[in-house]
Amino acid sequence: DAGVTQSPTHLIKTRGQQVTLRCSPKSGHDTVSWYQQALGQGPQFIFQYYEEEERQRGNFPDRFSGHQFPNYSSELNVNALLLGDSALYLCASSLDENTEAFFGQGTRLTVV
Amino acid sequence: EDQVTQSPEALRLQEGESSSLNCSYTVSGLRGLFWYRQDPGKGPEFLFTLYSAGEEKEKERLKATLTKKESFLHITAPKPEDSATYLCAVQAGWDSGNTPLVFGKGTRLSVIA
Repeated sequence: DAGVTQSPTHLIKTRGQQVTLRCSPKSGHDTVSWYQQALGQGPQFIFQYYEEEERQRGNFPDRFSGHQFPNYSSELNVNALLLGDSALYLCASSLDENTEAFFGQGTRLTVV
Repeated sequence: EDQVTQSPEALRLQEGESSSLNCSYTVSGLRGLFWYRQDPGKGPEFLFTLYSAGEEKEKERLKATLTKKESFLHITAPKPEDSATYLCAVQAGWDSGNTPLVFGKGTRLSVIA
């Protein structure tokens, strides 16, 4: 079992650009959640996808959007990047009706 | 608003020196409390889930306990490889499906040989 995998591991973008991050959930998991973790902080919930629909959303602007595919993999898109978007972006997968979430290794996004 | 506060922010221990990390929480109906370990630049690694006051779980040198207001992560005779940031998170509500995790800022543990 490969666990939760994210790509890329590191990314450098220029302010104003757009970025897409990818996540493959743990085998058998159908729910994907995305979190943003700034340096020295705990992860902050961005949104959650289940059955290809956004089920819940945290306090993040519309510049943050996502998608879930029929195979349960997911993408996080961020438009009009700001310097403050620099963070570790984490994907977590879980099985609906089960509380335990497993995280990927994260994507380190640096906006310059 | 659901909140998690972890203390201390940082803890430095000698190898073999046991201690405890604290996680205080306020939540509208606790569905579960989670402990994760996070190494620098990596994603959180799942350790424990606790569901109700009085519950305890153990794994190697770690033991997690839960009351109605806080959780403790006890580390017995720590080794340098236990050095990491330990994150506490709560999941609230009784709705079906997964409500999001609310995390604390973590406790940065350093174990010195």
